[in-house]
Amino acid sequence: EAQVTQNPRYLITVTGKKLTVTCSQNMNHEYMSWYRQDPGLGLRQIYYSMNVEVTDKGDVPEGYKVSRKEKRNFPLILESPSPNQTSLYFCASRSGGAAYEQYFGPGTRLTVT
Amino acid sequence: AQSVTQPDIHITVSEGASLELRCNYSYGATPYLFWYVQSPGQGLQLLLKYFSGDTLVQGIKGFEAEFKRSQSSFNLRKPSVHWSDAAEYFCAVGANSNYQLIWGAGTKLIIKP
Repeated sequence: EAQVTQNPRYLITVTGKKLTVTCSQNMNHEYMSWYRQDPGLGLRQIYYSMNVEVTDKGDVPEGYKVSRKEKRNFPLILESPSPNQTSLYFCASRSGGAAYEQYFGPGTRLTVT
Repeated sequence: AQSVTQPDIHITVSEGASLELRCNYSYGATPYLFWYVQSPGQGLQLLLKYFSGDTLVQGIKGFEAEFKRSQSSFNLRKPSVHWSDAAEYFCAVGANSNYQLIWGAGTKLIIKP
């Protein structure tokens, strides 16, 4: 089944404790991205990657890191999480440019206390 | 500046009634237009998209949308809603010259029995 998986689905952590949210897709898609969703703000892009070893900042990259060592994986790293990073995070992938459908993971609910 | 506006944060509709969700955009290039749906606790799923040609496009789950260039709008419609349509709906705009999508803030659809 074609899908984007994220882990964990739910995470509660404390300020400053490094964490990684994994994202994997099995569709051989070149483009992957991370979004955060906050009430009233819709989806805001954190980082995106157009291919292996190619990543770029989205609209809200501060406090986040990503890597793209393999085509299928695109982990999101919070080196020192803060409460303002409490949010719902989505990973997405698609096979090409903006004309293509994006496939979304189920989301990761992160709470930073 | 490029933007997407969904003027209604919430809409409440009786089951069986018709639905129209509004989306207005400001975008310099010829746009690609999308509607995605997010069911509770789920990721986003593509409902429909418009690239060119017939300005009335059909999507999944009985939804349709009409592109009106003169009004910079891409409103989503359904003739008769079902309780399972309760979800949040997002409008997005992109262009092939740019890999990024611009997202609206979303409209939450509530269905009255």
